[in-house]
Amino acid sequence: GAVVSQHPSWVICKSGTSVKIECRSLDFQATTMFWYRQFPKQSLMLMATSNEGSKATYEQGVEKDKFLINHASLTLSTLTVTSAHPEDSSFYICSARGAGPQETQYFGPGTRLLVL
Amino acid sequence: GQNIDQPTEMTATEGAIVQINCTYQTSGFNGLFWYQQHAGEAPTFLSYNVLDGLEEKGRFSSFLSRSKGYSYLLLKELQMKDSASYLCAAMDSNYQLIWGAGTKLIIKP
Repeated sequence: GAVVSQHPSWVICKSGTSVKIECRSLDFQATTMFWYRQFPKQSLMLMATSNEGSKATYEQGVEKDKFLINHASLTLSTLTVTSAHPEDSSFYICSARGAGPQETQYFGPGTRLLVL
Repeated sequence: GQNIDQPTEMTATEGAIVQINCTYQTSGFNGLFWYQQHAGEAPTFLSYNVLDGLEEKGRFSSFLSRSKGYSYLLLKELQMKDSASYLCAAMDSNYQLIWGAGTKLIIKP
């Protein structure tokens, strides 16, 4: 299957700082990338969908100015959590999909964010 | 509205067979995905069904009935490593995945 990497896997930061998470598709071109958040023992929550070269589409209730998404190339998307607060502490997971809309989403390993 | 239903938790015995059911209601339909998610890890892809019938892949099989809005994931010869959450996701007419809350499968020796 396709491989998606995420970096960093763990990050601890102070409240008020910004954190950038990278998502890369290693062996395929990801036309579309997705960013999810998952709180403990809860289901995946889609935050936003990004297509290469265009602005991300955010789900209702997700602040686009707080969660900045950039999808500058077919293999890289970044999520920046700006002015992080303790309630932003969560498991952030990206997924990537090839050109066809029915293609499978492959997930990165996730990034655990802890904001102190 | 769009909705996915699957049991919250199931328990099975090592070596046995378990079937995890999923019913869906979506605006349009472009296929049904199953993912496995171990605790503390990201989901991994298991199967995709878009036509009616059974797709077999080793110990795992997935079934779809479009007319009934129903799918199941069948796990045979259960191993302890199969203890995980199993996520059902239906793709709607906009090619968006609608996620179920997941079924936590507990395997007992």
